[in-house]
Amino acid sequence: DAGITQSPRYKITETGRQVTLMCHQTWSHSYMFWYRQDLGHGLRLIYYSAAADITDKGEVPDGYVVSRSKTENFPLTLESATRSQTSVYFCASHGTSGEKSSYNEQFFGPGTRLTVL
Amino acid sequence: AQSVSQHNHHVILSEAASLELGCNYSYGGTVNLFWYVQYPGQHLQLLLKYFSGDPLVKGIKGFEAEFIKSKFSFNLRKPSVQWSDTAEYFCAVISGSARQLTFGSGTQLTVLP
Repeated sequence: DAGITQSPRYKITETGRQVTLMCHQTWSHSYMFWYRQDLGHGLRLIYYSAAADITDKGEVPDGYVVSRSKTENFPLTLESATRSQTSVYFCASHGTSGEKSSYNEQFFGPGTRLTVL
Repeated sequence: AQSVSQHNHHVILSEAASLELGCNYSYGGTVNLFWYVQYPGQHLQLLLKYFSGDPLVKGIKGFEAEFIKSKFSFNLRKPSVQWSDTAEYFCAVISGSARQLTFGSGTQLTVLP
């Protein structure tokens, strides 16, 4: 049971480059989320998706783009990376009451540490 | 908008000391409450959760939390901490019909051997 995976685990890029962080879950959960973790801020929601082809902004969406063409994948793209986007990015998923998971419980991936030079 | 406050940013304890970490949230309606732990270099793991029923919730590794609706609080407790409890602890809330978690800023716990 692979659960939820993220790739790459570590990424160094330069200002202005496009970067895509991948997230894959094997549970067929409806909901998926992207958070960023920064010192002193806890985790902040970037984008989330309620189902394939349905996405919505979270607290800090500027500079990010998401897509969800398949239920199991939820890539996050930084269209033109900035230094302020240096962070640890976590993907999470959870199901609804009819799916194989605890209702309203989110499961987190291992994270991607992104450094923008 | 929902907000979550964790007033203790860094707590330092000796082994066997008792622990209580504060968490307060702002939403006045139905809430689901969570405590997550993040060990150094690892991802978040669920410690415990409250959805309904008994307001005293027991989680893994000897942790428990008490939901006090009148105080909008969900404090985390452990009677005797161990060095291996050194980690960052996050309180989080799902409110209303939303699915998004709102996190507190986290509390770094350091347990001295």
